Formats: sequence, C-alpha cells, structure tokens
Amino acid sequence: QVQLQESGPGLVKPSETLSLTCTVSGGSVSSGSYYWSWIRQPPGKGLEWIGYIYYSGSTNYNPSLKSRVTISVDTSKNQFSLKLSSVTAADTAVYYCARVTGGGYYGVWGQGTLVTVSS
Amino acid sequence: EIVLTQSPATLSLSPGERATLSCRASQSVSSYLAWYQQKPGQAPRLLIYDASNRATGIPARFSGSGSGTDFTLTISSLEPEDFAVYYCQQRSNWPPGTFGQGTKLEIK
Repeated sequence: QVQLQESGPGLVKPSETLSLTCTVSGGSVSSGSYYWSWIRQPPGKGLEWIGYIYYSGSTNYNPSLKSRVTISVDTSKNQFSLKLSSVTAADTAVYYCARVTGGGYYGVWGQGTLVTVSS
Repeated sequence: EIVLTQSPATLSLSPGERATLSCRASQSVSSYLAWYQQKPGQAPRLLIYDASNRATGIPARFSGSGSGTDFTLTISSLEPEDFAVYYCQQRSNWPPGTFGQGTKLEIK
C-alpha cells in the first residue's frame, strides 16, 4: 500500500524559502498513472491546491502562487519536493503531499507537516 | 473559478441519526465531485468520488448523490468515529479542482 511522508523544517523565517520533501513508499513516483501534488491548509481553514508534478517533470501551479512555487521530482529517490520562496506569515499552514488519481482526486495523502513562518 | 458552497457550516447530530450534507457548485461540474473526511490532526481521507462511488474501504453507510450543481453526502446512521469535518472537491476543471469550505459534523 502506497504511503507518503512529508519532511522539512517546521519553522521558516519571513522572506526565506520553504522547502519540503515527500517520500513515497510502497509505490513509485515514476508510475505514469498518477500525478503528485502539494496541498496546504492554514490553521483552522480550508484546503488550497499548490501544484502538481508528473514523473516526466511536467508541472502545473496554482496561479496565485505560481511566481513563488517550484515542484520537482527525484525518481531515483522516489521523492518529490516543494519550494516556496519569499514566504510571509500568510504561508503558515499544514502542508500535505498527495497522490492524484481519477483525473483530479486526492486518493492518498501524507500525514501533513506544519510549517510556521516567523522570525 | 468554480466555487463550491457547503451547507450547513455546522451540523449537530447524535450517534445513530442520519446526516445529510450539501455541496453546491457555482456552475456544472457534471459528476466530477468528491467528498473527503478530515479528523483533527489528520489528513483528509477520500470517501466518495465521481459523486457516488465509494473509495476503497469506505463503509456502506456513506453514500453520495447528485450531478450538475447540487450534491449530497449522506451518512445513514452515524457512528462515533464519523464526527469530523467534511469537504467536497470538484475535478471538472482540475487543476485546480477547488474545495468547498467544509461542514463540521459535531456530536449533539
């Protein structure tokens, strides 16, 4: 059974770059059947799609974050990663990685990691 | 952008009762709608996809219906573990495939 696990710093200073990695186990990011996504949830709020990557490296980002987001994939490590630059307090959230199935549903999620932006 | 509006914001019921949650889309999403359950401190879990199909391992007390702009998630008889926040999500224009704002199902 595929499992996803986020990792990365829990505290990032304003104006710096948030970096997270999602490690996939029990499955392969190289599978052509899925897209791999990042989603975030500010404390007490709803869910916001950040972007996705395909194993080939093709990406698509939320227009509201596009200028600051980079998602990459490392098939040799079975991982994909998120970088969000120039962060502010508004970027404080639980960040989830997820596997996209069925043309746009999130069938498998990581447990999530809280990232706080604060000096 | 397709906006999903969920109602009610909070639903207070007792175990054993029937729960009916609504999700309305600002334009037709055909049957491309999913429901997720999120418990405190946990990631969302896919319950229903394509409006009425239960995801793997989801109990039969969960059912979904609707098409176009109006959708319903029904929990036939509430179990204690069903009290959580429920989100709808559309994939008609994925990406981005927007989420609703959530309905909190709480114990009365």
